[in-house]
Amino acid sequence: AQSVTQLGSHVSVSEGALVLLRCNYSSSVPPYLFWYVQYPNQGLQLLLKYTTGATLVKGINGFEAEFKKSETSFHLTKPSAHMSDAAEYFCAVRIMDTGRRALTFGSGTRLQVQP
Amino acid sequence: GAVVSQHPSRVICKSGTSVKIECRSLDFQATTMFWYRQFPKQSLMLMATSNEGSKATYEQGVEKDKFLINHASLTLSTLTVTSAHPEDSSFYICSASKINSPLHFGNGTRLTVT
Repeated sequence: AQSVTQLGSHVSVSEGALVLLRCNYSSSVPPYLFWYVQYPNQGLQLLLKYTTGATLVKGINGFEAEFKKSETSFHLTKPSAHMSDAAEYFCAVRIMDTGRRALTFGSGTRLQVQP
Repeated sequence: GAVVSQHPSRVICKSGTSVKIECRSLDFQATTMFWYRQFPKQSLMLMATSNEGSKATYEQGVEKDKFLINHASLTLSTLTVTSAHPEDSSFYICSASKINSPLHFGNGTRLTVT
C-alpha cells in the first residue's frame, strides 16, 4: 500500500529564511509525487510534480523539490520565505501501475512565516 | 485560470435536508473525477471516484447511500449529501484531470449542517 508521511505538522520560519518541508513516501514502485498548497477555505493549487526524468523539480513561486529514491523522500524547499507563503502544504503520491488515478495525501504541514 | 469549478463555495443547511454540490471541468472532458473530504486541520481523504456513465467507486467506510454521486456528462459530476446531519459538516473538494496531467482541484465547498 502506498502512504505519504509529512514530518512536522507545523513549521515556522522567518521571512527570508530557508523553507524545508519534509515528505517521505512508501511504495514498491516509483511513484508520481506532487506538492500542493492550500490557502484557507480554498482548494489545492499544484506547486510542482515529479513523474520521470530529472529528479530536481522546479515549481511555481520559487519552490523546488528533489526526488531521492534511496531515501524515499520528496522534500519541498524554497531559498527565501515570503509572507505570502504562509499556507498549508500537502505532499501527495500516485502509484502508476495500479491504474488508480486518485492521489493519496500526506497529513499536511502548516507553514508560518514570521516577519 | 481555474480549470475545475465547484459550486457552491459555502452552504448551510438544516439537519435532515439534502445538499447538492457540483463539480465542472471547464475546458476539458473528464471521464473521471474524484471527491475528497477534509476535516478541519486535517488532510484530504478520498471519498469516491466518479466515473462518467457508470457507478461511482466508493472508498471503504463511505456510505454510498449517504453520498450520492452522479457523473452524467464528461464535464459535470455532482455529490449529493442526503439527509444531512451535523457530523457531515466538512469541506468537500472535487478534482479532475486531463489525460496524463496532474489533478486539478476545485475551490471546495464548505458544508455546515445545523
